[in-house]
Amino acid sequence: QKEVEQNSGPLSVPEGAIASLNCTYSDRGSQSFFWYRQYSGKSPELIMSIYSNGDKEDGRFTAQLNKASQYVSLLIRDSQPSDSATYLCAGERGYGGSQGNLIFGKGTKLSVKP
Amino acid sequence: KAGVTQTPRYLIKTRGQQVTLSCSPISGHRSVSWYQQTPGQGLQFLFEYFSETQRNKGNFPGRFSGRQFSNSRSEMNVSTLELGDSALYLCASSTGPENTEAFFGQGTRLTVV
Repeated sequence: QKEVEQNSGPLSVPEGAIASLNCTYSDRGSQSFFWYRQYSGKSPELIMSIYSNGDKEDGRFTAQLNKASQYVSLLIRDSQPSDSATYLCAGERGYGGSQGNLIFGKGTKLSVKP
Repeated sequence: KAGVTQTPRYLIKTRGQQVTLSCSPISGHRSVSWYQQTPGQGLQFLFEYFSETQRNKGNFPGRFSGRQFSNSRSEMNVSTLELGDSALYLCASSTGPENTEAFFGQGTRLTVV
């Protein structure tokens, strides 16, 4: 069973701190990974995608991928209360493109305290 | 540019009834996927359509079905509703099967009583 695992949290950080969200995956064939943010009662919003080993930065967000360790992470710098949400990690199932092949973790709930 | 549009936003149905949900993808997007989200199971893939053809299907019973029209709009149908079908149903679109970057609609909250 191919899986994406996340710590459910809640992860609580003070405002201005760095929030670190982690995800592991079991399918070594997975090539593409995504982070979604989901506010309570809302739908998931794509915030980062990463396809190759290393870091990818976009504003306050940095995604990191380590395929050897089958590990994906999301760092949020200068965390704001508005970042409080559930963060979903998704990986491609590993046999080619198609969004139907995405496997989602169950999400990590982040709480940023003012 | 308009996002993914799902209708209706909320539905209340009784057991045994059937329901049809609609999804209009982002303009130019031709791939549409459907997901069921529940607190216990998280996001579960239902099926994916591209060019009016179902390309992938998740592990859901045959009561769950879908289709895609020539304008890329998609519908999903659930027949003989069960209490356990209560969930948030999400539609996501992408440009095509070569692209796994998916954008979600606001979802349809289905409650079965």
